[in-house]
Amino acid sequence: EDQVTQSPEALRLQEGESSSLNCSYTVSGLRGLFWYRQDPGKGPEFLFTLYSAGEEKEKERLKATLTKKESFLHITAPKPEDSATYLCAVQANYGGSQGNLIFGKGTKLSVKP
Amino acid sequence: GAGVSQSPSNKVTEKGKDVELRCDPISGHTALYWYRQSLGQGLEFLIYFQGNSAPDKSGLPSDRFSAERTGGSVSTLTIQRTQQEDSAVYLCASSLGAAAYNEQFFGPGTRLTVL
Repeated sequence: EDQVTQSPEALRLQEGESSSLNCSYTVSGLRGLFWYRQDPGKGPEFLFTLYSAGEEKEKERLKATLTKKESFLHITAPKPEDSATYLCAVQANYGGSQGNLIFGKGTKLSVKP
Repeated sequence: GAGVSQSPSNKVTEKGKDVELRCDPISGHTALYWYRQSLGQGLEFLIYFQGNSAPDKSGLPSDRFSAERTGGSVSTLTIQRTQQEDSAVYLCASSLGAAAYNEQFFGPGTRLTVL
């Protein structure tokens, strides 16, 4: 069964304290791994797509990496405005027709000033 | 440009009543998805429309749930005889296509509360 597990469930950091969020996945053929940010009361906001092991992408203080079993979202010198829930999702390769994402439960990040 | 919009933003209903939730995707997006986000749970896939193809209904939890997409644009998710366990945020997303390089853009969601 395809599944995505994120850890930790919650993470509290001081401003400037770098850390990483983990996303472990089991999928029968990976089309893509996605990271989204979700603020309270809003829909998820797209951050990154990773396609193959070894790939890395960066955006401001965020850097996403991918291996064959997991992905990490590294947050460097976070600021309070980085506080949000970070969601990881995978799209599986079922032969080209299915596009839905399989989501983890998310990591709720709080950054204190 | 306009993003994905959903209405209503909040819906409170009584157990047993039917509800309709609306999604307006981004213009030109051929793929449309419905997801459900329950408290403490991850987003759960419900149904997927791609162009004129038959929808993928594999995520619908029961036959009380149905969805339509008219003219390849607006979609309506209908829940009949609502139950308390249907309470959740219902999210709609659209993308240019189903390929992984076409990121899914999400709407703000409809929060459904069944009393």
